[in-house]
Amino acid sequence: EVQLVESGGGLVQPGGSLRLSCAASGFSFSDFNMNWVRQAPGKGLESVSYISGSGTTLYYADSVKGRFTVSRDNARNSLYLQLDSLRAEDTAIYYCATLRGGVGSQRFDSWGQGTLVTVSS
Amino acid sequence: IQLTQSPSSLSASVGDRVTITCRASQDISSCLAWYQQGPGKSPKLLIYAASTLQSGVPSRFSGNGSGTDFTLSINGLQPEDFATYYCQQLKSFPHTFGGGSKVETK
Repeated sequence: EVQLVESGGGLVQPGGSLRLSCAASGFSFSDFNMNWVRQAPGKGLESVSYISGSGTTLYYADSVKGRFTVSRDNARNSLYLQLDSLRAEDTAIYYCATLRGGVGSQRFDSWGQGTLVTVSS
Repeated sequence: IQLTQSPSSLSASVGDRVTITCRASQDISSCLAWYQQGPGKSPKLLIYAASTLQSGVPSRFSGNGSGTDFTLSINGLQPEDFATYYCQQLKSFPHTFGGGSKVETK
């Protein structure tokens, strides 16, 4: 059974940093491209970042580019998101999700339970 | 690529047929997925490639469309279907989501 467990969220002051982790199990982690998606309180979903299975291809939403860094450790079956220069508008639940499928059939088919990041003084 | 969902909310009763639309700002072929999110829950994949039902998802859910116009239909709404639904394009990065459509009890 695929399982994704996020951790590392918490309360941080504006300008501060956090490192989120996503522990994966139940599948061959290195074979899957991974994503971080966030959801601000009472709002919709926003795709924040993408990393390929090998870790060589990365994408970021414009809203976090230059401040967030995605990485992975395939030996540890773990995905990470380094959040720097945090702003109040980064307050959200952060989910990790697997990206499955080829061209024309891609989808985020497994999601973690999320970890809450609150940016406030 | 921008995705516009409508309606943003709707009221329905158990047994109703419900249809939600998603319009893309440019041609995305069939690179569209639909998700369901219950209160306090993580999103759940329902449909991908515009019309392919995810394994384990009830057949009352169906998806249609290609290019820029897509629909999600629920045929015979069940109590567990009262939730928020999101479309997502996977044609190009970033893989943007629509604003959501909340299905509420009438």
